[in-house]
Amino acid sequence: EAGVAQSPRYKIIEKRQSVAFWCNPISGHATLYWYQQILGQGPKLLIQFQNNGVVDDSQLPKDRFSAERLKGVDSTLKIQPAKLEDSAVYLCASSLLLARHEQYFGPGTRLTVT
Amino acid sequence: QQQVKQSPQSLIVQKGGISIINCAYENTAFDYFPWYQQFPGKGPALLIAIRPDVSEKKEGRFTISFNKSAKQFSLHIMDSQPGDSATYFCAASIATDKLIFGTGTRLQVFP
Repeated sequence: EAGVAQSPRYKIIEKRQSVAFWCNPISGHATLYWYQQILGQGPKLLIQFQNNGVVDDSQLPKDRFSAERLKGVDSTLKIQPAKLEDSAVYLCASSLLLARHEQYFGPGTRLTVT
Repeated sequence: QQQVKQSPQSLIVQKGGISIINCAYENTAFDYFPWYQQFPGKGPALLIAIRPDVSEKKEGRFTISFNKSAKQFSLHIMDSQPGDSATYFCAASIATDKLIFGTGTRLQVFP
């Protein structure tokens, strides 16, 4: 079974630029999560999708971050404009609808904002 | 109240020794407590998890001890191996929804 795929793996941008991350969850997983992991900290949930609907985006900085999950499969997370403090690893995870406690994480995208 | 406090920040153990990582929480509504293992350049992977109706769960060399009255839980790694060197995160959730992660413990096991 293929795992959660993410791209790109690394991205370096200047502040005020925009960036987008892509995630392909495990086949059949209805729930998809985006986490932000700042160096030295645990992952923090940004947004949770169930199929193509948003379940929780309470910690998503909506003035600059946006996410979508078209057709309930792949998802993209966008930051526009980026700030220095957005430097982090962005992790995508997915789970079965009836087993949301078992989340499978992708390798992450390491974003550096200079 | 939504925080999960984890300690120590880093841990150095000799091969064959016992590694112990502790976590504490405040929100008594939490009902699921997993531990994740993360290697450099990889995403976290679920290692072992426990619900508050049991005090201990063991899977191979990994054991979770849970103290509901103290609102604490810990991960014990018996016979620690160099391959166990990784960052470990405890987490907690309510009704298997949003996971709240601890700050992580970097474990180094020396041969």
